[in-house]
Amino acid sequence: NAGVTQTPKFRVLKTGQSMTLLCAQDMNHEYMYWYRQDPGMGLRLIHYSVGEGTTAKGEVPDGYNVSRLKKQNFLLGLESAAPSQTSVYFCASSYSYTGGGSYNEQFFGPGTRLTVL
Amino acid sequence: SQQGEEDPQALSIQEGENATMNCSYKTSINNLQWYRQNSGRGLVHLILIRSNEREKHSGRLRVTLDTSKKSSSLLITASRAADTASYFCATDGDDYKLSFGAGTTVTVRA
Repeated sequence: NAGVTQTPKFRVLKTGQSMTLLCAQDMNHEYMYWYRQDPGMGLRLIHYSVGEGTTAKGEVPDGYNVSRLKKQNFLLGLESAAPSQTSVYFCASSYSYTGGGSYNEQFFGPGTRLTVL
Repeated sequence: SQQGEEDPQALSIQEGENATMNCSYKTSINNLQWYRQNSGRGLVHLILIRSNEREKHSGRLRVTLDTSKKSSSLLITASRAADTASYFCATDGDDYKLSFGAGTTVTVRA
C-alpha cells in the first residue's frame, strides 16, 4: 500500500499562475482533507470531502477550489496564485466518522512545498 | 480557528530523559489525538484518547486527558534521538474535522 501520495512534491509559481495539486489514497477511505501548514500556525483546513462527489469549505478556503470525482483522488486547485499562498500543503484521509467519539485517525501524505513569487 | 494550543512551543532534552508537553483546548470534544511530524514529512498519528478516558498508554507514550480543565498532556519516556520531531494535538468535535494546535518542537540531544 502506498497510503496517501501527493503530486508534485515541490512547485514554484509566479503570481497569477494556476496549478492543481493531486492527492491519491489507496486505503478506500471515505474522507479526505487538504491542509496548509505555515510556520508557527500548525495546520489549517482548506477544504474537505466526506465522500465521492462531495466537497465542503474548511477554515481557510478562499483562493482554492477542490474536486472529488473519484473516491481515491482529491484535487486542490489554485486559479490565480498569490504570494500569500506560499506554504506547505498536506493531504490527509480517514476511513470513517461514526460520531460519538468514534473518529478514526487521519493518514497524511508527504506534502507539497509551494512557493509563489 | 485553532482549537488546541500546545505548551511549550519548544523543548530540548537529553537522551534518556522524559519529555512532557501539554495541550489546552476551548470547546467540548469527542476525542483528542496526538500526531508527530518529523522534519520535512507528513504527520503521523500517535495516539487517540476518548473524552470518557483519563489516561492511555502506547509503548513509551502516556497521554492524559482532563475534560474539566480542557487539557491533555503527552509524556514520552526514555527519549531517543529518533523522538526529535514536532508534536501536535488535534481535537475532534462533532463535524468530521480535526483542529490542530501549532505544535511543540522537541529536540533530543545525544
